[in-house]
Amino acid sequence: GAVVSQHPSRVICKSGTSVKIECRSLDFQATTMFWYRQFPKQSLMLMATSNEGSKATYEQGVEKDKFLINHASLTLSTLTVTSAHPEDSSFYICSASWQFTDTQYFGPGTRLTVL
Amino acid sequence: KQEVTQIPAALSVPEGENLVLNCSFTDSAIYNLQWFRQDPGKGLTSLLLIQSSQREQTSGRLNASLDKSSGRSTLYIAASQPGDSATYLCAVPSGGYQKVTFGTGTKLQVIP
Repeated sequence: GAVVSQHPSRVICKSGTSVKIECRSLDFQATTMFWYRQFPKQSLMLMATSNEGSKATYEQGVEKDKFLINHASLTLSTLTVTSAHPEDSSFYICSASWQFTDTQYFGPGTRLTVL
Repeated sequence: KQEVTQIPAALSVPEGENLVLNCSFTDSAIYNLQWFRQDPGKGLTSLLLIQSSQREQTSGRLNASLDKSSGRSTLYIAASQPGDSATYLCAVPSGGYQKVTFGTGTKLQVIP
């Protein structure tokens, strides 16, 4: 149980375009989803926290107008990287949890490469 | 602000050896600690979750201990195997409900 999927697993795009990454909880209702970014040889850094039906809360230094997060349902959150640049190339991982639980369940990640 | 450090950053051991990975955190007011495994280019796999009321947790060849007062946790891997090669991350709650801070990671290589 508690499976989280991400789509796509890998995406390559041109600089200036926008890319949407989906995060789905397959067998549970995720009241909260988290988005992380991981640069090579570094640990995961939290970008934002989203609660279903509410606006996402962004961590300091993360541009909310660049990284658009939507959590419109209890099983789906999306991260859109707008006007992507090469420095946005990274590994993006989402996680999901439900109310009153300590545990986050992680997706398999999405490798974004911006040319 | 919670800071989580893992030592060593990288470790290479021969197959069959027992090993210990270390995790230290600055804010001891935590309610749990998790250990994860990450294979190259992959997401995270949860290994063990220790509640603050527990001293240790075991799963197969893995044993994790938690000492809140000293801000330390260790992950003990017995009889290491090449399949154990991965990066191991610890994570502690910080800065809000359900939020966690990840450690810097230990990259383990088990040599056949």
